[in-house]
Amino acid sequence: DAGITQSPRHKVTETGTPVTLRCHQTENHRYMYWYRQDPGHGLRLIHYSYGVKDTDKGEVSDGYSVSRSKTEDFLLTLESATSSQTSVYFCAISERQTNPAGLNTGELFFGEGSRLTVL
Amino acid sequence: GENVEQHPSTLSVQEGDSAVIKCTYSDSASNYFPWYKQELGKGPQLIIDIRSNVGEKKDQRIAVTLNKTAKHFSLHITETQPEDSAVYFCAASNQAAGNKLTFGGGTRVLVKP
Repeated sequence: DAGITQSPRHKVTETGTPVTLRCHQTENHRYMYWYRQDPGHGLRLIHYSYGVKDTDKGEVSDGYSVSRSKTEDFLLTLESATSSQTSVYFCAISERQTNPAGLNTGELFFGEGSRLTVL
Repeated sequence: GENVEQHPSTLSVQEGDSAVIKCTYSDSASNYFPWYKQELGKGPQLIIDIRSNVGEKKDQRIAVTLNKTAKHFSLHITETQPEDSAVYFCAASNQAAGNKLTFGGGTRVLVKP
């Protein structure tokens, strides 16, 4: 299994409070991602990182910020949590590799998820 | 951006029967189509993928087909076993634009013994 650790694994918080989720990897992969999983919506990309201090928005980035100060850590912050942010959050990592045909073969490896409940 | 639709949302099959999950995508520039399996309480794991220069790919009991003209791709599981029970996600991406995947809504597969 890829070395990905998410913390905390479970959190209950109240509306308006700040929350930070941490993703830690031991694989030295360049790319890191935060997804949220909700019934019927599959996995939706929140933010991703393509290197230290290099981040970009995904399709559902409103209300979230990220930081990556080290290769191994990618933090997701909810500045002021809302009930709509109740979800299961997954971190993923990948490494851009190319096969002999020059095509990217970067598989995503996922962590085990962090369940966040905002009351 | 890309939009991926996945059907059905739930699928119940008898052990030994086949299961088929279908996905459609909207962006004709997408060229990479992986399938992920998620077991209860775990993160998704890649089980098979296909690229736009290939029409079909098989790995033991699972196979994927791709129809670029119609913009749809399918996962086929033959001789289903109880351990195939899980949630399956299709996804699509344009790898020239990075490895950001757009996922379908998921299919919960239940294999009844």
